[in-house]
Amino acid sequence: QLQLQESGPGLLKPSETLSLTCTVSGGSISSSSYYWGWIRQPPGKGLEWIGSVNSGGTTFYKPSLRGRITVSADTSKNQFFLKLTSVTAADTAVYYCARSFGSLYAFWGQGTLVTVSS
Amino acid sequence: DIVMTQSPDSLAVSLGERATINCKSSQSVLYGSSKKNNLAWFQQKPGQPPKLLIYWASTRESGVPDRFSGSGSGTDFTLTISSLQAEDVAVYYCQQYASTPITFGGGTKVEIK
Repeated sequence: QLQLQESGPGLLKPSETLSLTCTVSGGSISSSSYYWGWIRQPPGKGLEWIGSVNSGGTTFYKPSLRGRITVSADTSKNQFFLKLTSVTAADTAVYYCARSFGSLYAFWGQGTLVTVSS
Repeated sequence: DIVMTQSPDSLAVSLGERATINCKSSQSVLYGSSKKNNLAWFQQKPGQPPKLLIYWASTRESGVPDRFSGSGSGTDFTLTISSLQAEDVAVYYCQQYASTPITFGGGTKVEIK
Protein backbone atom coordinates (compact mmCIF):
# COMPACT_ATOMS: atom_id res chain seq x y z
CA GLN A 1 0.00 0.00 0.00
CA LEU A 2 1.34 3.40 -0.96
CA GLN A 3 2.55 5.53 1.93
CA LEU A 4 4.11 8.98 1.96
CA GLN A 5 5.94 10.44 4.96
CA GLU A 6 7.13 14.00 5.33
CA SER A 7 10.21 14.84 7.38
CA GLY A 8 12.24 17.92 8.17
CA PRO A 9 12.76 20.70 10.71
CA GLY A 10 9.65 21.92 12.46
CA LEU A 11 10.94 25.35 13.47
CA LEU A 12 12.70 27.92 11.34
CA LYS A 13 13.71 31.53 11.77
CA PRO A 14 12.71 34.19 9.26
CA SER A 15 14.99 34.30 6.19
CA GLU A 16 16.06 30.66 6.63
CA THR A 17 15.48 27.89 4.09
CA LEU A 18 12.75 25.32 4.55
CA SER A 19 13.84 21.85 3.44
CA LEU A 20 11.44 18.91 3.57
CA THR A 21 11.74 15.32 2.39
CA CYS A 22 8.90 13.04 1.37
CA THR A 23 9.77 9.34 1.60
CA VAL A 24 7.58 7.10 -0.51
CA SER A 25 6.99 3.43 0.29
CA GLY A 26 4.77 0.85 -1.34
CA GLY A 27 5.30 2.38 -4.76
CA SER A 28 8.02 3.81 -6.97
CA ILE A 29 8.41 7.49 -7.78
CA SER A 30 10.11 6.36 -10.99
CA SER A 31 6.72 5.69 -12.56
CA SER A 32 6.15 8.13 -15.39
CA SER A 33 2.41 8.13 -14.70
CA TYR A 34 2.56 10.34 -11.64
CA TYR A 35 3.54 13.72 -10.36
CA TRP A 36 4.69 14.14 -6.78
CA GLY A 37 3.57 17.33 -5.15
CA TRP A 38 3.53 19.56 -2.11
CA ILE A 39 0.43 21.19 -0.66
CA ARG A 40 0.43 23.36 2.42
CA GLN A 41 -2.19 24.50 4.91
CA PRO A 42 -1.65 27.43 7.29
CA PRO A 43 -3.10 26.77 10.75
CA GLY A 44 -6.89 27.05 10.64
CA LYS A 45 -6.89 27.93 6.93
CA GLY A 46 -7.39 26.27 3.56
CA LEU A 47 -5.24 24.24 1.21
CA GLU A 48 -2.65 25.68 -1.15
CA TRP A 49 -0.87 23.67 -3.83
CA ILE A 50 2.71 24.90 -4.15
CA GLY A 51 4.58 22.65 -6.55
CA SER A 52 5.20 19.25 -8.07
CA VAL A 53 7.80 17.14 -9.88
CA ASN A 54 7.80 13.97 -11.93
CA SER A 55 10.40 11.26 -12.24
CA GLY A 56 11.89 12.96 -15.26
CA GLY A 57 12.49 16.15 -13.29
CA THR A 58 9.72 18.21 -14.89
CA THR A 59 8.42 20.70 -12.36
CA PHE A 60 5.43 22.96 -11.89
CA TYR A 61 5.30 25.73 -9.31
CA LYS A 62 2.76 28.13 -7.89
CA PRO A 63 3.63 31.37 -9.70
CA SER A 64 3.69 33.50 -6.55
CA LEU A 65 6.43 31.25 -5.11
CA ARG A 66 8.55 31.04 -8.24
CA GLY A 67 12.08 32.14 -7.41
CA ARG A 68 11.87 30.79 -3.85
CA ILE A 69 10.71 27.21 -4.43
CA THR A 70 12.45 24.13 -5.73
CA VAL A 71 10.88 20.69 -5.90
CA SER A 72 13.14 17.80 -6.87
CA ALA A 73 13.24 14.03 -6.72
CA ASP A 74 15.79 11.30 -6.11
CA THR A 75 14.50 8.12 -7.70
CA SER A 76 17.35 6.05 -6.21
CA LYS A 77 16.12 6.88 -2.72
CA ASN A 78 12.42 6.95 -3.66
CA GLN A 79 12.19 10.43 -2.17
CA PHE A 80 11.23 13.86 -3.33
CA PHE A 81 12.03 17.20 -1.79
CA LEU A 82 10.81 20.71 -1.15
CA LYS A 83 13.10 23.67 -0.72
CA LEU A 84 11.66 27.10 0.05
CA THR A 85 14.08 29.94 0.62
CA SER A 86 13.76 33.19 2.57
CA VAL A 87 10.85 32.00 4.69
CA THR A 88 8.60 34.36 6.63
CA ALA A 89 5.79 33.84 9.11
CA ALA A 90 3.44 33.55 6.13
CA ASP A 91 5.12 30.24 5.28
CA THR A 92 4.02 28.72 8.61
CA ALA A 93 1.83 25.77 7.67
CA VAL A 94 1.31 22.05 7.71
CA TYR A 95 3.11 20.79 4.62
CA TYR A 96 1.71 17.71 2.92
CA CYS A 97 3.37 15.63 0.25
CA ALA A 98 1.08 13.79 -2.13
CA ARG A 99 0.93 11.76 -5.35
CA SER A 100 -1.09 12.90 -8.30
CA PHE A 101 -2.32 11.29 -11.47
CA GLY A 102 -3.14 13.96 -13.98
CA SER A 103 -3.00 16.57 -11.19
CA LEU A 104 -5.56 14.65 -9.13
CA TYR A 105 -4.09 14.11 -5.67
CA ALA A 106 -5.43 10.84 -4.32
CA PHE A 107 -2.68 9.85 -1.89
CA TRP A 108 -1.42 12.18 0.83
CA GLY A 109 1.10 11.99 3.63
CA GLN A 110 0.06 12.82 7.19
CA GLY A 111 1.66 16.27 6.99
CA THR A 112 4.32 18.04 9.00
CA LEU A 113 3.98 21.39 10.76
CA VAL A 114 6.61 23.97 9.94
CA THR A 115 6.63 27.09 12.09
CA VAL A 116 8.57 30.21 11.16
CA SER A 117 9.27 32.35 14.18
CA SER A 118 12.09 34.46 15.54
CA ASP B 1 -5.31 31.17 -11.92
CA ILE B 2 -8.73 29.55 -11.67
CA VAL B 3 -10.44 30.84 -8.53
CA MET B 4 -12.65 28.35 -6.69
CA THR B 5 -15.43 29.80 -4.55
CA GLN B 6 -17.33 27.59 -2.12
CA SER B 7 -20.59 28.29 -0.34
CA PRO B 8 -21.63 28.31 2.38
CA ASP B 9 -18.59 28.71 4.63
CA SER B 10 -20.32 26.48 7.16
CA LEU B 11 -23.56 24.64 7.63
CA ALA B 12 -25.27 22.71 10.40
CA VAL B 13 -27.48 19.81 9.41
CA SER B 14 -29.47 17.37 11.50
CA LEU B 15 -28.44 13.74 11.51
CA GLY B 16 -30.06 11.93 8.61
CA GLU B 17 -30.77 15.14 6.71
CA ARG B 18 -29.25 16.33 3.43
CA ALA B 19 -26.19 18.57 3.26
CA THR B 20 -25.41 20.50 0.08
CA ILE B 21 -22.17 22.32 -0.67
CA ASN B 22 -21.64 24.49 -3.72
CA CYS B 23 -18.46 25.25 -5.61
CA LYS B 24 -18.05 27.74 -8.44
CA SER B 25 -14.97 28.11 -10.63
CA SER B 26 -13.93 31.38 -12.27
CA GLN B 27 -13.59 29.56 -15.60
CA SER B 28 -14.62 26.23 -17.00
CA VAL B 29 -12.78 23.19 -15.69
CA LEU B 30 -13.71 21.07 -18.69
CA TYR B 31 -10.47 19.82 -20.15
CA GLY B 32 -9.14 17.53 -22.81
CA SER B 33 -10.66 15.73 -25.76
CA SER B 34 -12.88 13.72 -23.41
CA LYS B 35 -14.29 16.99 -22.03
CA LYS B 36 -14.33 15.78 -18.47
CA ASN B 37 -14.83 18.16 -15.59
CA ASN B 38 -11.51 18.30 -13.73
CA LEU B 39 -13.14 18.89 -10.36
CA ALA B 40 -12.57 16.96 -7.14
CA TRP B 41 -14.02 17.02 -3.65
CA PHE B 42 -12.02 16.31 -0.49
CA GLN B 43 -13.04 15.70 3.11
CA GLN B 44 -10.71 16.78 5.91
CA LYS B 45 -11.18 15.86 9.54
CA PRO B 46 -9.18 17.58 12.32
CA GLY B 47 -5.56 16.50 12.44
CA GLN B 48 -5.86 14.44 9.27
CA PRO B 49 -4.83 14.98 5.66
CA PRO B 50 -7.54 15.59 3.08
CA LYS B 51 -9.27 12.49 1.77
CA LEU B 52 -10.37 12.28 -1.86
CA LEU B 53 -14.13 11.68 -2.11
CA ILE B 54 -15.12 12.56 -5.68
CA TYR B 55 -13.24 13.16 -8.94
CA TRP B 56 -14.30 14.04 -12.49
CA ALA B 57 -17.00 16.00 -10.62
CA SER B 58 -19.20 12.94 -10.02
CA THR B 59 -17.09 9.76 -9.73
CA ARG B 60 -16.85 8.40 -6.20
CA GLU B 61 -13.44 7.23 -5.05
CA SER B 62 -13.28 3.56 -4.10
CA GLY B 63 -14.61 2.96 -0.58
CA VAL B 64 -16.51 6.25 -0.32
CA PRO B 65 -20.09 5.72 0.92
CA ASP B 66 -22.78 6.25 -1.68
CA ARG B 67 -24.44 8.94 0.45
CA PHE B 68 -21.76 11.22 -1.05
CA SER B 69 -22.48 12.41 -4.57
CA GLY B 70 -21.13 15.08 -6.87
CA SER B 71 -22.81 16.89 -9.70
CA GLY B 72 -22.41 19.86 -12.00
CA SER B 73 -20.48 20.85 -15.08
CA GLY B 74 -18.45 23.70 -16.49
CA THR B 75 -18.22 26.18 -13.65
CA ASP B 76 -20.87 25.14 -11.13
CA PHE B 77 -20.63 22.07 -8.95
CA THR B 78 -22.32 20.55 -5.94
CA LEU B 79 -21.38 17.99 -3.31
CA THR B 80 -24.35 16.36 -1.64
CA ILE B 81 -24.40 14.22 1.48
CA SER B 82 -27.80 12.58 1.23
CA SER B 83 -28.16 11.52 4.87
CA LEU B 84 -25.66 13.12 7.22
CA GLN B 85 -23.91 10.80 9.65
CA ALA B 86 -21.92 11.81 12.72
CA GLU B 87 -18.68 10.72 11.06
CA ASP B 88 -19.29 13.19 8.21
CA VAL B 89 -18.46 16.16 10.43
CA ALA B 90 -15.50 17.68 8.62
CA VAL B 91 -14.37 20.45 6.32
CA TYR B 92 -15.01 19.84 2.64
CA TYR B 93 -12.93 21.33 -0.18
CA CYS B 94 -13.43 21.45 -3.90
CA GLN B 95 -10.36 21.49 -6.13
CA GLN B 96 -9.83 22.07 -9.83
CA TYR B 97 -7.14 20.13 -11.63
CA ALA B 98 -7.81 21.42 -15.14
CA SER B 99 -4.84 23.77 -15.13
CA THR B 100 -1.79 24.73 -13.13
CA PRO B 101 -1.70 26.18 -10.57
CA ILE B 102 -4.08 23.67 -9.05
CA THR B 103 -6.47 25.58 -6.79
CA PHE B 104 -8.82 24.75 -3.94
CA GLY B 105 -11.99 26.32 -2.66
CA GLY B 106 -11.90 27.94 0.75
CA GLY B 107 -13.65 25.03 2.45
CA THR B 108 -17.07 24.38 3.96
CA LYS B 109 -17.35 23.23 7.55
CA VAL B 110 -20.16 20.73 8.12
CA GLU B 111 -21.49 20.29 11.64
CA ILE B 112 -24.39 18.52 13.32
CA LYS B 113 -27.39 20.67 14.22
